[in-house]
Amino acid sequence: SQQGEEDPQALSIQEGENATMNCSYKTSINNLQWYRQNSGRGLVHLILIRSNEREKHSGRLRVTLDTSKKSSSLLITASRAADTASYFCANHGGTSYDKVIFGPGTSLSVIP
Amino acid sequence: ETGVTQSPTHLIKTRGQQVTLRCSSQSGHNTVSWYQQALGQGPQFIFQYYREEENGRGNFPPRFSGLQFPNYSSELNVNALELDDSALYLCASSPRTSGRVDTQYFGPGTRLTVL
Repeated sequence: SQQGEEDPQALSIQEGENATMNCSYKTSINNLQWYRQNSGRGLVHLILIRSNEREKHSGRLRVTLDTSKKSSSLLITASRAADTASYFCANHGGTSYDKVIFGPGTSLSVIP
Repeated sequence: ETGVTQSPTHLIKTRGQQVTLRCSSQSGHNTVSWYQQALGQGPQFIFQYYREEENGRGNFPPRFSGLQFPNYSSELNVNALELDDSALYLCASSPRTSGRVDTQYFGPGTRLTVL
């Protein structure tokens, strides 16, 4: 299957702690995006990391990409209750983004 | 808010019926992709439209079809609805540039329930 795998499936942490989510694929990762989704609504784009990049930061978010291991991780530092959501990685195949393969998501709960 | 809108927000149909979902892309975006998201799962790619032509398709049967209009808005049509078609349907628009992956901006989705 081309579908990505994410772990953990669910994560519960205290406000102020860091949260790490991992994503891996059996096929090669070319360009990977991370999204957040609140309560079954639309997805919000967080970060795009291209295949020639190894690490990217955006505010409290840090994404790493290891193309040799076909994996990526998302770190949220100093988590807040508002970070409670589902987080998805999405792999864009090759230079064409005709087909985007999402992982099953990690459900994050941040307890105030 | 991404500027991508979808209608309707919710829809209830019965098995065997047909449904049309609509998506207005963000201004300046010429590419629209459609996804199906079952409860508790990640979105599954249905197909993508670029300049009114289908530009890639996932593992969905032909009863899932689409259109893109000159203003780049799009429709998803599903015929002969089945119970398993119950899901959140998401569209995403993006400004396709030559050979380079661009961010997709998602609409809020249409929740389809098939009874």
